[in-house]
Amino acid sequence: DIQMTQSPSSVSASVGDRVTITCRASQGISSWLAWYQQKPGKAPNLLIYAASTLQSGVPSRFSGSGSGTDFTLTISGLQPEDFATYYCQQADSFPRAFGQGTKVEIK
Amino acid sequence: EVQLVESGGGLVQPGGSLRLSCAASGFSFSSYSMNWVRQAPGKGLEWISYISGSSSSIFYADSVKGRFTISRDNAKNSLYLQMNSLRAEDTAVYYCARQGYIPRSGMDVWGQGTTVTVSS
Repeated sequence: DIQMTQSPSSVSASVGDRVTITCRASQGISSWLAWYQQKPGKAPNLLIYAASTLQSGVPSRFSGSGSGTDFTLTISGLQPEDFATYYCQQADSFPRAFGQGTKVEIK
Repeated sequence: EVQLVESGGGLVQPGGSLRLSCAASGFSFSSYSMNWVRQAPGKGLEWISYISGSSSSIFYADSVKGRFTISRDNAKNSLYLQMNSLRAEDTAVYYCARQGYIPRSGMDVWGQGTTVTVSS
């Protein structure tokens, strides 16, 4: 089974900052990686799929990159509504797996 | 409007059973694969099961294999999760989530979740 490891587990940042979150797969998953945002008490929301394709309606300040085992989610110009927890998820094979999450907090 | 609405959660004793439902609307349900994902209190997301549009492909996480059964009724636009032999560690919010139309893309539509509590 493929395991997903995110880092850092939390990050403190200010509005306007650039934030980068890393996700590593235990084996190669090509570009089959998705990123989600989740706010407290709400369902997750798909941000990016296929490592770098922005889901419809998601602001362009979100971007993703990577392939194989190493991936990044970048938020360029953090907005107040971006303070949330972010998860990566491998979509290459079953069982699917999520990373443990990265909480983006207000500095 | 594309929507998923879960129901059926509640309090159940260890060893008991529960059946969750997910009602889909606003899209061609039979054309999409579906997933169940859960989140224990204060914890991260855990994928637990997948079913293809025709029910021909079904997968489970090891943590629920042999105890949970996923199914769907395309005529009723509904997804189900039959949960047997429930344990305390199954306590979580359970979400149904639509698999994106592109194979191996993300889960693009989620329900609001239904809470399952396993406790005596």
